[in-house]
Amino acid sequence: RKEVEQDPGPFNVPEGATVAFNCTYSNSASQSFFWYRQDCRKEPKLLMSVYSSGNEDGRFTAQLNRASQYISLLIRDSKLSDSATYLCVVNRASQGNTGKLIFGQGTTLQVKP
Amino acid sequence: DAGVIQSPRHEVTEMGQEVTLRCKPISGHNSLFWYRQTMMRGLELLIYFNNNVPIDDSGMPEDRFSAKMPNASFSTLKIQPSEPRDSAVYFCASSSGSRYTEAFFGQGTRLTVV
Repeated sequence: RKEVEQDPGPFNVPEGATVAFNCTYSNSASQSFFWYRQDCRKEPKLLMSVYSSGNEDGRFTAQLNRASQYISLLIRDSKLSDSATYLCVVNRASQGNTGKLIFGQGTTLQVKP
Repeated sequence: DAGVIQSPRHEVTEMGQEVTLRCKPISGHNSLFWYRQTMMRGLELLIYFNNNVPIDDSGMPEDRFSAKMPNASFSTLKIQPSEPRDSAVYFCASSSGSRYTEAFFGQGTRLTVV
């Protein structure tokens, strides 16, 4: 079983739709959580951090449930430019104060006109 | 800030040859990660360094792979000898190193072994 699991999709949605991605992690020593976005043939880039209280950045909302070891990303009013792969990332504590970033397989989103 | 810089961007080599990938992390970052990405396996962490010291190399697939970080501004990932199954995109990333911070990625090296 992978340490960070995501539904690979693809999710095909029309413009303006709301779409939600889920992610589960297995290691309770995980300290911090992120969503990254990766466009085709490009490097992953940070979309947003995920905080215990939940956080919002424009049309994007991230939630964390530590008890269930579950992270979610909600995209409202989706745009064509949101088409990409969304990677769930867990920073697991390692030696000293260092962290080890573990990536999920990614969920592919295609927004159609 | 120039960001994480990787070279070369593309590499095509013959099976059995030695391949060296290079990475310059963001200045001031003290953690450096090497990842490999394929369609089948996604992004896999190969090795990471903290303050130039390898912390965890459990993801390095086999002895043909080695990584070094001789100083805070340079790291290499070497494959010797290379095999066709090593074909992938190799990413280098750096972070400030704490357990709460994100990493910033280079543009990657697309390796093809024929």
